[in-house]
Amino acid sequence: GNSVTQMEGPVTLSEEAFLTINCTYTATGYPSLFWYVQYPGEGLQLLLKATKADDKGSNKGFEATYRKETTSFHLEKGSVQVSDSAVYFCALLNNAGNMLTFGGGTRLMVKP
Amino acid sequence: DSGVTQTPKHLITATGQRVTLRCSPRSGDLSVYWYQQSLDQGLQFLIQYYNGEERAKGNILERFSAQQFPDLHSELNLSSLELGDSALYFCASSIRVRTDTQYFGPGTRLTVL
Repeated sequence: GNSVTQMEGPVTLSEEAFLTINCTYTATGYPSLFWYVQYPGEGLQLLLKATKADDKGSNKGFEATYRKETTSFHLEKGSVQVSDSAVYFCALLNNAGNMLTFGGGTRLMVKP
Repeated sequence: DSGVTQTPKHLITATGQRVTLRCSPRSGDLSVYWYQQSLDQGLQFLIQYYNGEERAKGNILERFSAQQFPDLHSELNLSSLELGDSALYFCASSIRVRTDTQYFGPGTRLTVL
């Protein structure tokens, strides 16, 4: 079955540091890939997505590139802010286009 | 704000009880999904409804059931509750039965004592 593995947190960074959160997946075919973010006390928000190999999703300074050869979708940001502190989830969509499979989530803490 | 609403925000109940969680999808969305977020299982897909019909089932326990009504709102019913059912339950919606973007509600936090 499908599965998503992402690095365990928490990840603690200073403001303006570079961020990488690793995500790898196992799936049949070429699923769409997503990063969702969950701010404290809130629901899941779609951060970015990529629907085919070599696509780069980007939003709010965050980027992730769909790498078919390494089955990865790592999240990056060049300069994090305190307001980026949240839990980040990597996810893939099944071939039927209806079920998201999530990784375990990575908590990011950014200190001023 | 995604446009998906869920009530109640918090629910505290006892083991053995039954509860109903409610979800209203975004205006125009026909598909509703339920997910469970727990400490030990992470985020898991439970079930999908599209225009009133069940379309996909994930790791949903037999004690749990759902339905989608003609006005497209959905309810998740949890019965014979156990301590391990304590979790955050999310509803998501999308326009089509098959889509690449699901919009999530704020969730209902269920605590079973």
